[in-house]
Amino acid sequence: AQSVTQLDSQVPVFEEAPVELRCNYSSSVSVYLFWYVQYPNQGLQLLLKYLSGSTLVKGINGFEAEFNKSQTSFHLRKPSVHISDTAEYFCAVSDLFGNEKLTFGTGTRLTIIP
Amino acid sequence: KAGVTQTPRYLIKTRGQQVTLSCSPISGHRSVSWYQQTPGQGLQFLFEYFSETQRNKGNFPGRFSGRQFSNSRSEMNVSTLELGDSALYLCASSLSVRGGGNTEAFFGQGTRLTVV
Repeated sequence: AQSVTQLDSQVPVFEEAPVELRCNYSSSVSVYLFWYVQYPNQGLQLLLKYLSGSTLVKGINGFEAEFNKSQTSFHLRKPSVHISDTAEYFCAVSDLFGNEKLTFGTGTRLTIIP
Repeated sequence: KAGVTQTPRYLIKTRGQQVTLSCSPISGHRSVSWYQQTPGQGLQFLFEYFSETQRNKGNFPGRFSGRQFSNSRSEMNVSTLELGDSALYLCASSLSVRGGGNTEAFFGQGTRLTVV
């Protein structure tokens, strides 16, 4: 079984400042890692994913994340945020063995302050 | 290429009624999963269907059921609705490569169910 922890439920950040959203996971097997974004009254949109290879992955809208196996972390970063980044962000994992189930963290609400 | 389509977008039902939600996956995707999203419990996995068979099931009561048709479209049904069933129900489709995990799930916009 897997679990995902997003310690920060809310993160306020000034516009054009950098941001890091934290994600830690627990699993007895190897996993794939994802970050999704959800805008109000919308579904989930994939920001980026780590499947294998380079531990630094780049996604859409200027976001990137780094997989750290020893710390079981997959933190999301953006060097300069915009008002349009205001949304809820979810970290998720799936295991590698034919299981389509995604296990999500509780989400982090990112609020950009003008 | 059309995305994942969920219908209807909004529903209001009365306690004790039943409801059916529909999901049309991306063309070529054979796996459809359903999730319930509530403020208190977050995103929880309901079940997954692949080639008309339920492959995986979350920890929900038997009032929650689903099915998948030969064209990969899926429906989920909730019987004897309770107030706590009020939620956003999200459907996700994926290619589901045999022997591999979920490498990318595409989500629909969801159906907002309100039980009164």
